[in-house]
Amino acid sequence: KAGVTQTPRYLIKTRGQQVTLSCSPISGHRSVSWYQQTPGQGLQFLFEYFSETQRNKGNFPGRFSGRQFSNSRSEMNVSTLELGDSALYLCASSWTTSGPNTLYYEQYFGPGTRLTVT
Amino acid sequence: GQQLNQSPQSMFIQEGEDVSMNCTSSSIFNTWLWYKQDPGEGPVLLIALYKAGELTSNGRLTAQFGITRKDSFLNISASIPSDVGIYFCAGLGGADGLTFGKGTHLIIQP
Repeated sequence: KAGVTQTPRYLIKTRGQQVTLSCSPISGHRSVSWYQQTPGQGLQFLFEYFSETQRNKGNFPGRFSGRQFSNSRSEMNVSTLELGDSALYLCASSWTTSGPNTLYYEQYFGPGTRLTVT
Repeated sequence: GQQLNQSPQSMFIQEGEDVSMNCTSSSIFNTWLWYKQDPGEGPVLLIALYKAGELTSNGRLTAQFGITRKDSFLNISASIPSDVGIYFCAGLGGADGLTFGKGTHLIIQP
């Protein structure tokens, strides 16, 4: 099956602008999470969406927002860009199943969108 | 928020050697995960651990979920050049989504 796709792969923006990144999950996966990866802070959780609802949110300012559509595709938006927002933004789709004695977690990351803010 | 301490930060080893890295946390996690990330790509899930004490293998990789649920280790046996990359541990549980360690850079000298 097709993997997680993210568009665009590379983006250059100017301070103060806004940006929208897109993620298409694995078919059948209803959970989509977003992460920011920088050399200094590593991988940090932004938010998670499940069935069009935000389920969890990381410790990022309100300039970072997201949404999920009925087909599970997700977008994240960053408004009023700052230099420190330059990073690799990763999307992951996941599927979890659990029972009385079983738990199975499947997750795939996309290749990321490299955002450079100048 | 939750934090994971992953060590070592980097490892320079000879091809064929065994590798060991670990993660510790001040918080309890319900699931521990280990990933590998190659340059220009997203992390790839290697092993998922679901129960305290669980020991799981995936080829030459072996990982364990610590009894206290606050730590995990990953071993790679008989390393080969394609093992080069950054390995991340991650804990899943609570409202913080996945919490990642800072990564272990594995460099293999032929």
